[in-house]
Amino acid sequence: GPKVLQIPSHQIIDMGQMVTLNCDPVSNHLYFYWYKQILGQQMEFLVNFYNGKVMEKSKLFKDQFSVERPDGSYFTLKIQPTALEDSAVYFCASSLTRGDSGNTLYFGEGSRLIVV
Amino acid sequence: GQQVKQSSPSLTVQEGGISILNCDYENDMFDYFAWYKKYPDNSPTLLISVRSNVDKREDGRLTVFLNKSGKHFSLHITASQPEDTAVYLCAAGASSSFSKLVFGQGTSLSVVP
Repeated sequence: GPKVLQIPSHQIIDMGQMVTLNCDPVSNHLYFYWYKQILGQQMEFLVNFYNGKVMEKSKLFKDQFSVERPDGSYFTLKIQPTALEDSAVYFCASSLTRGDSGNTLYFGEGSRLIVV
Repeated sequence: GQQVKQSSPSLTVQEGGISILNCDYENDMFDYFAWYKKYPDNSPTLLISVRSNVDKREDGRLTVFLNKSGKHFSLHITASQPEDTAVYLCAAGASSSFSKLVFGQGTSLSVVP
């Protein structure tokens, strides 16, 4: 089936440094998402993105977070600066149309971020 | 608070038996309900979903039951097989809230011979 690729799969970074998580969504999809899963907890919605803009974000999407998809390339999540509580697995997803309208969200395998 | 809750972190079922996975939700606005399957270090994959205008949907060995008054939905897997062993995540969404699925914590299903 359709694949969402995430790079890197794992990253260890010093607190205060910047990190960029990359997502290669399904090729014809238009809606993009990031979810965060802290160890032992559920996946939580961070942000969705459509037509070059953030449509909705949760309270977990701190000011240090940003997303973009320049020129149809990777959909990225940037954290600058990182904090210890940013340690989590970050899942990217994409959908052809609005995911809440019953249209399937396709997820990547996650990027495990460890902030030390 | 947890808007979507899976109260059983784990479940063990005999091969050939029925696996029943449960999910409770709080938000009356939810009108889309889904079950995802996840293997370790793999991506969550949509198994089956329903909208709130139906209370049951079957797809092969999978059936989703939706109880709107009880704010509860479940996934039944008949003739459970070892390859069904995985983490099952329930999720719910509201069409009034742009593409924001809320997930449960997951139930780890083990199907044993």
